[in-house]
Amino acid sequence: DVVMTQSPLSLPVTLGQPASISCRSSQSLLHSNGHTFLNWFHQRPGQSPRRLIYEVSNRDSGVPDRFSGSGSGSDFTLKISRVEAEDVGVYFCMQGTHWPVTFGQGTKLEIK
Amino acid sequence: QLVESGGGLVQPGGSLRLSCAASRFTFSNSWMTWVRLIPGKGLEWVANIKEDGSEKYYVDSVKGRFTISRDNAKNSLFLQMNSLTVEDTAMYYCGRGGSHDALDIWGQGTMVTVSS
Repeated sequence: DVVMTQSPLSLPVTLGQPASISCRSSQSLLHSNGHTFLNWFHQRPGQSPRRLIYEVSNRDSGVPDRFSGSGSGSDFTLKISRVEAEDVGVYFCMQGTHWPVTFGQGTKLEIK
Repeated sequence: QLVESGGGLVQPGGSLRLSCAASRFTFSNSWMTWVRLIPGKGLEWVANIKEDGSEKYYVDSVKGRFTISRDNAKNSLFLQMNSLTVEDTAMYYCGRGGSHDALDIWGQGTMVTVSS
């Protein structure tokens, strides 16, 4: 199985400051069809996860533009340009290129 | 929108059937998926099923015990879980999409607790 490794696992951030989460895969996530199936999700306390980013860098509808995804191959990053209070919670990366689909361990973002 | 039901407390070796009711999108045109959030461990993809039910895929840990199915006439997704173990204790979510268009919509989850 493809292992997804996120860092850091805990991310204290001051409001208004940027934040960055890394996600590394044990194999390249470039599919033979040319797509890279790397998604990012956010789960607020007490809520279901919500997809933020699909295929590395595409924001889902309604996701603020302060969220951005980048990367290629096996090295990916989620960036928040200016953290707001509603951004607290756990962030997960997920790969869908190889079966079985696997997730990162999660990064807990909290406000300092 | 997706709404799960059917979770609860069950003894090891027991069975449960989870349901997921879909609305506000064309269910019959969508791959569907079950994912679980295991306390202290994170998210695990459980199973997914093609639009017409002709293809089904399972993570190794549930193969032979869990069965995913759907009823497109009733816009419903199911997960039959047999031979449950304590390791199956988790919040179970249904989601729209398969591995390539994964999980743009999630349900609110239904909790399954396996304990004696």
